[in-house]
Amino acid sequence: DQQVKQNSPSLSVQEGRISILNCDYTNSMFDYFLWYKKYPAEGPTFLISISSIKDKNEDGRFTVFLNKSAKHLSLHIVPSQPGDSAVYFCAASGQGGSEKLVFGKGTKLTVNP
Amino acid sequence: KAGVTQTPRYLIKTRGQQVTLSCSPISGHRSVSWYQQTPGQGLQFLFEYFSETQRNKGNFPGRFSGRQFSNSRSEMNVSTLELGDSALYLCASSVQGAGANVLTFGAGSRLTVL
Repeated sequence: DQQVKQNSPSLSVQEGRISILNCDYTNSMFDYFLWYKKYPAEGPTFLISISSIKDKNEDGRFTVFLNKSAKHLSLHIVPSQPGDSAVYFCAASGQGGSEKLVFGKGTKLTVNP
Repeated sequence: KAGVTQTPRYLIKTRGQQVTLSCSPISGHRSVSWYQQTPGQGLQFLFEYFSETQRNKGNFPGRFSGRQFSNSRSEMNVSTLELGDSALYLCASSVQGAGANVLTFGAGSRLTVL
C-alpha cells in the first residue's frame, strides 16, 4: 500500500514556464513533507520542506503548497530552467522527528530550452 | 565539508553470495539511514541507526542487516543475495532530532545480482 503517491511519472515544460509537481498522501499521521531532487548517478538532494502547521513555504524559485484536507502537496518551480531537469521525489514523515521517510516513486521533470 | 561517502559505488555479485556496503556520514551527523531504490518501488526505508543502536526498521527480510560504529560510520549487509536485491542502496545522514528530518544522501552503491 503506497502511502505517498506521485501519479505523474514524467513532466515536460518549456524553459521560463512554471513546473508543477504533485504528490498525494494517505497517512494522516504524516506531519512533515519534503521534496528531493535527484540527478543520474547522484544521491537525492534536499530541495524544500514544509511542516503540517503551514500551508506554504517558499525558497527562491521553489514553493511548496500543502493542502491537509485534501492530503495533497505540490511543488512549484518558476521560472523553470534546463538545469532543473531531474527526478523529483516527494517524501513524508511522522512521529515528529523520525528519520524514516516515506517516498513517492518520483516524477521526471524535463525542462526544454 | 565532506559529504556522505558510500563504498563501493558499483558491485556485481551472484545469487547466494553476501555483500557489505559502507557509509561514512557527514562529520557531526550521528544518525545514519539506509534506503533501497528500485525502478518499481522507488526509495524504500531499510533502517536507521543512531549512537550504534537501530532506532527504526523498514519492512525488509532478516537477510538485510546493518550496524553503526562508535564513529557513526555504518555498514549494511545483505546475505543470501537474490536477483530482486539488485538496486541502488542509498545511505543518508542527519543531525539527530529537532524534527528536521533533512537527510543528506550519498551517491549510492549500485548492486547487481546475477
